[in-house]
Amino acid sequence: NAGVTQTPKFQVLKTGQSMTLQCAQDMNHNSMYWYRQDPGMGLRLIYYSASEGTTDKGEVPNGYNVSRLNKREFSLRLESAAPSQTSVYFCASRLAGNQETQYFGPGTRLLVL
Amino acid sequence: AQKITQTQPGMFVQEKEAVTLDCTYDTSDQSYGLFWYKQPSSGEMIFLIYQGSYDEQNATEGRYSLNFQKARKSANLVISASQLGDSAMYFCAMWRVSVEKLVFGTGTRLLVSP
Repeated sequence: NAGVTQTPKFQVLKTGQSMTLQCAQDMNHNSMYWYRQDPGMGLRLIYYSASEGTTDKGEVPNGYNVSRLNKREFSLRLESAAPSQTSVYFCASRLAGNQETQYFGPGTRLLVL
Repeated sequence: AQKITQTQPGMFVQEKEAVTLDCTYDTSDQSYGLFWYKQPSSGEMIFLIYQGSYDEQNATEGRYSLNFQKARKSANLVISASQLGDSAMYFCAMWRVSVEKLVFGTGTRLLVSP
């Protein structure tokens, strides 16, 4: 039982390059989330998916797209990376119901030059 | 505005002492949840404790307890008998049931000294 996994762990991009961050969970959770964490700030929600087949914008969606490929997988795409997107990206999942706990992946550290 | 405020950027405590990390929240929602997460230097986010807005008893999980004062809109984390491994960033977060989103504070860095 791996929980929430993210790939890659680290990535360096040049401005304008594209990449996809992968996230998968094996806990049969319904909802999945993408956050970014910047120095001195808490986590901010980029996009989320309440269930398979649905996605919605969070607090900071500009410059990102997402795909909920199936119940297990939720990917985050940067079409044209910018230095402002240098951050640590966390994926999380939640089993909808009374217990609202979100479980987080280990994070992806992204540097855009 | 739906907001979490953590006013202590850093806290120091000696090993085996208790420490309280402050968290206040601002919401007009009737139903919400409050979380604390720990982020060690390795970077992962570790769930510690949860308190629902309708829970009458304060939540406890081992050495962690959440001092929930609803009228004051505070949800402080109390760590009893601090250990060196407790040194980390601690984030308070509020779950907004109405929109199914988690709102995070800016965190408190705790340093436990021998």
